[in-house]
Amino acid sequence: GENVEQHPSTLSVQEGDSAVIKCTYSDSASNYFPWYKQELGKRPQLIIDIRSNVGEKKDQRIAVTLNKTAKHFSLHITETQPEDSAVYFCAASTSGGSNYKLTFGKGTLLTVNP
Amino acid sequence: DGGITQSPKYLFRKEGQNVTLSCEQNLNHDAMYWYRQDPGQGLRLIYYSQIVNDFQKGDIAEGYSVSREKKESFPLTVTSAQKNPTAFYLCASSMGQGSTDTQYFGPGTRLTVL
Repeated sequence: GENVEQHPSTLSVQEGDSAVIKCTYSDSASNYFPWYKQELGKRPQLIIDIRSNVGEKKDQRIAVTLNKTAKHFSLHITETQPEDSAVYFCAASTSGGSNYKLTFGKGTLLTVNP
Repeated sequence: DGGITQSPKYLFRKEGQNVTLSCEQNLNHDAMYWYRQDPGQGLRLIYYSQIVNDFQKGDIAEGYSVSREKKESFPLTVTSAQKNPTAFYLCASSMGQGSTDTQYFGPGTRLTVL
């Protein structure tokens, strides 16, 4: 089955700096890669996603890049703010016949220091 | 994701007891999912259902059971066979249109075995 590796597990940056989180996946058939942000005790919230026919996608301070050949994708957050502090999860879609599911990485705890 | 509700928010269980977690959605979504979250483990898939009266095992189905009798509801039963049930349980739903579906999460239920 699909395996998603996420690095680093923890990341600490100063406010205003950039943060980069990287994920690799194993199933070359995966074609959808969402990123979720989870604040302490809350539900995961989708922040950005990318489909395999696109190499890069931006939404204000957040961008995601995808390299299908290398089977890795990354989340980039620019001009970080304290409210960006949270756990971030990457995921990759997999299919089993007509059934589809997401496989998640283990998460990155991002701390933005004021 | 405001259309997905889970109850109760906190649940305490004695060893040897079965307990059922509720998940309801009013988004008219076909697909529903149950995840378990443990510290440092990310989100692991327990069961998922693409359509009413059908469901599939995820990666960690042992000790759990589900039913999908209505489109809006996907209850999860944690049985006494689950050896380490203390965790944060998250329900999610999606439109069920294929591998590029976006999943939206409920607020979660924190289960503690006493």
